[in-house]
Amino acid sequence: SQQGEEDPQALSIQEGENATMNCSYKTSINNLQWYRQNSGRGLVHLILIRSNEREKHSGRLRVTLDTSKKSSSLLITASRAADTASYFCADDMRFGAGTRLTVKP
Amino acid sequence: GAVVSQHPSWVICKSGTSVKIECRSLDFQATTMFWYRQFPKQSLMLMATSNEGSKATYEQGVEKDKFLINHASLTLSTLTVTSAHPEDSSFYICSASAGGMGEQYFGPGTRLTVT
Repeated sequence: SQQGEEDPQALSIQEGENATMNCSYKTSINNLQWYRQNSGRGLVHLILIRSNEREKHSGRLRVTLDTSKKSSSLLITASRAADTASYFCADDMRFGAGTRLTVKP
Repeated sequence: GAVVSQHPSWVICKSGTSVKIECRSLDFQATTMFWYRQFPKQSLMLMATSNEGSKATYEQGVEKDKFLINHASLTLSTLTVTSAHPEDSSFYICSASAGGMGEQYFGPGTRLTVT
């Protein structure tokens, strides 16, 4: 079964804008991971954030975690057309529904 | 980073036949491997978790007699789709973990089409 829901399901922005995707989960977690998937391809691991962490950065990516609200967010700054993909959060082995991000050049 | 391979990357088979998909961890020992299925425009659904040397644990609704999983070594797990039907057509993805709360490393996926 799915762990949680992602919001929005689809997001379309212009190149250079920021993209924020949210993820909610239902049960307690050890860590939360964000992945990216280009259409029909495998997953690329982006960031792992542990349950005792609140924020993590990696390049243009910023992930936050709020365990009291059982939610996490992924921010992509200064988006590029190449960022177009589906983004998923996952608790250990259960994936959210994903957000399909389209960045228009 | 750790590398996980899958073979084949795509396969077309006829209805009623069986198909085996291999998942290998190339540069680490995977105590646990996971098998997922993904339908078009949907998320990954966990099918089963396998630990080396023991029987796989299947998620609710996944037929263990239809999706045979073998994790015979610390670097290889196989998923066999038996008596495949068109509705089994999907993208199958494996991942491997060195255990504990370690990160999962995903394979590139296998696209199965059953005609």
